Amino acid sequence: AQKITQTQPGMFVQEKEAVTLDCTYDTSDQSYGLFWYKQPSSGEMIFLIYQGSYDEQNATEGRYSLNFQKARKSANLVISASQLGDSAMYFCAMRGAPRSSASKIIFGSGTRLSIRP
Amino acid sequence: EAQVTQNPRYLITVTGKKLTVTCSQNMNHEYMSWYRQDPGLGLRQIYYSMNVEVTDKGDVPEGYKVSRKEKRNFPLILESPSPNQTSLYFCASSLRGAPYEQYFGPGTRLTVT
Repeated sequence: AQKITQTQPGMFVQEKEAVTLDCTYDTSDQSYGLFWYKQPSSGEMIFLIYQGSYDEQNATEGRYSLNFQKARKSANLVISASQLGDSAMYFCAMRGAPRSSASKIIFGSGTRLSIRP
Repeated sequence: EAQVTQNPRYLITVTGKKLTVTCSQNMNHEYMSWYRQDPGLGLRQIYYSMNVEVTDKGDVPEGYKVSRKEKRNFPLILESPSPNQTSLYFCASSLRGAPYEQYFGPGTRLTVT
């Protein structure tokens, strides 16, 4: 069975520092995809970044990068130069392999990130 | 404006009274999905649809029904709501027939008494 684990329920980081949010996963699929979503206090869910299991390079989107370590089954989100607006809940998620479970997606329990001014 | 809309945004109802939460997207997306969010559990997938007339169960489908008669709409039906279905519900859509970059609706907060 697939599983996503986020071990940090909450984190405090000083503004302008870089922050790493941990995510480990478990799957027997060879092909899968990993996501990060942000949920501000207003409640909406915002897509941040996607990494395919066969992508050779780590995904990056602006200040967000995904540190993908396939052998360790980890997909950590790195936010560079954190800003007050980065304070939010962050969810790691995974979809399964094509032709079997590609359309299913599971989410971790989330990490609440708080940025201190 | 490209968006996913959900209605109602807030609903308080009683046990056993059938209800429908509507979801509509205007982006011609193939994939749509429903999630529930509960404290400490993250989001859990209820049902998803890869295209019109194609739906399948997620991880927590019990007590819910869906239909996809048109590409833009994906209603969530609770035939006989129970208090354990009190939750925050999200609808989402994705361009391709799988959950890649998903666009989420604003959420529906449901309370069943």
